Amino acid sequence: SAVISQKPSRDICQRGTSLTIQCQVDSQVTMMFWYRQQPGQSLTLIATANQGSEATYESGFVIDKFPISRPNLTFSTLTVSNMSPEDSSIYLCSVEDTKGSTDTQYFGPGTRLTVL
Amino acid sequence: DAKTTQPPSMDCAEGRAANLPCNHSTISGNEYVYWYRQIHSQGPQYIIHGLKNNETNEMASLIITEDRKSSTLILPHATLRDTAVYYCIVRRGGGFKTIFGAGTRLFVKA
Repeated sequence: SAVISQKPSRDICQRGTSLTIQCQVDSQVTMMFWYRQQPGQSLTLIATANQGSEATYESGFVIDKFPISRPNLTFSTLTVSNMSPEDSSIYLCSVEDTKGSTDTQYFGPGTRLTVL
Repeated sequence: DAKTTQPPSMDCAEGRAANLPCNHSTISGNEYVYWYRQIHSQGPQYIIHGLKNNETNEMASLIITEDRKSSTLILPHATLRDTAVYYCIVRRGGGFKTIFGAGTRLFVKA
């Protein structure tokens, strides 16, 4: 399975600032996904990021707030812009591994963000 | 993607089998059943998946009913480290996003 790392693992930020989260995969993958997990909640998909095309955002998420880059097949970034305390969450990167007989999604360890 | 229904929480004694049910009555023919778990503050961990046959790996067994409208994840000998939230998900393979429900919080007790 793909090995995924995220940076930073956690951060504490002031409201109004922005944070960029990096996701690195140890193999080339076509599809990468970004999720948010608010305290005590399940995971919510923010967007799907394919290399060479604009990210596709889910309902309730917009590019101005969560710009995503996908410069190559092993790397992506998610920026949380103009942060407020409501953005305090765990942000998770996920990739689809197509090497097996069935495509399976794997998840990174997450970035725990606290906004003061 | 089809929706799933899981009990919000379950208890299991350490060393006993944990049987986690999932209903997915609207599953379509090309959708797989996937199971993930999330141990506190970590990223979700893939456990197992299947289409219509029962599956077993080193972590668990997956039993899918013949009509595919429900399934059961079996952890044969639960340990305290298996305490986690378990998510049952149905999705098509090949480039389709994974949508999470609320999952089942499993408590394994000594």
